[in-house]
Amino acid sequence: EAGVVQSPRYKIIEKKQPVAFWCNPISGHNTLYWYRQNLGQGPELLIRYENEEAVDDSQLPKDRFSAERLKGVDSTLKIQPAELGDSAVYLCASSLNYIQYFGAGTRLSVL
Amino acid sequence: AQSVTQLDSQVPVFEEAPVELRCNYSSSVSVYLFWYVQYPNQGLQLLLKYLSGSTLVKGINGFEAEFNKSQTSFHLRKPSVHISDTAEYFCAVSSNEKLTFGTGTRLTIIP
Repeated sequence: EAGVVQSPRYKIIEKKQPVAFWCNPISGHNTLYWYRQNLGQGPELLIRYENEEAVDDSQLPKDRFSAERLKGVDSTLKIQPAELGDSAVYLCASSLNYIQYFGAGTRLSVL
Repeated sequence: AQSVTQLDSQVPVFEEAPVELRCNYSSSVSVYLFWYVQYPNQGLQLLLKYLSGSTLVKGINGFEAEFNKSQTSFHLRKPSVHISDTAEYFCAVSSNEKLTFGTGTRLTIIP
């Protein structure tokens, strides 16, 4: 069974540019999460979806970040415009029975 | 609110020696507890989990952890480490579908 798939694995952009990350969760997992992991830190939740509904986006910086989960499967996280402080690893996870399974992440470098 | 404290940011251990990585948590409600491992440039992989039942839980790669409710701890142990155990280890607590991570412990195995 395929795990959580994320793309791209790496992205380098200049500040003020837009960027988007894509996530395909494990088949059958209705809950999907986006996390941000800064260097030397644990992941921090940005947004949680139950099917296509965002049920917890309290930590998502809504002035520049947006996310969507069309048809309750794949999800996209977007940053526009990116700032230097957005450099981090963005992790996607999906869950079943209280256990979260993580993708390999997208490492974003903003120059 | 819930939080996780990993007191040791780095733990160097000689190969084949035992290791204990400490984790303490705080929460006002019942929680589930997890340990994840992160190898360089990879996502998080579940090592083990405590959901209910026996307080001693066994995971992959020879790791085990013990849930101590009175001390609000969930320390991770391995009786004999290998070079391949070199990684970052994250303790996490979950309640109401919200997963909160500690800051991680970097385990370095000395040949």
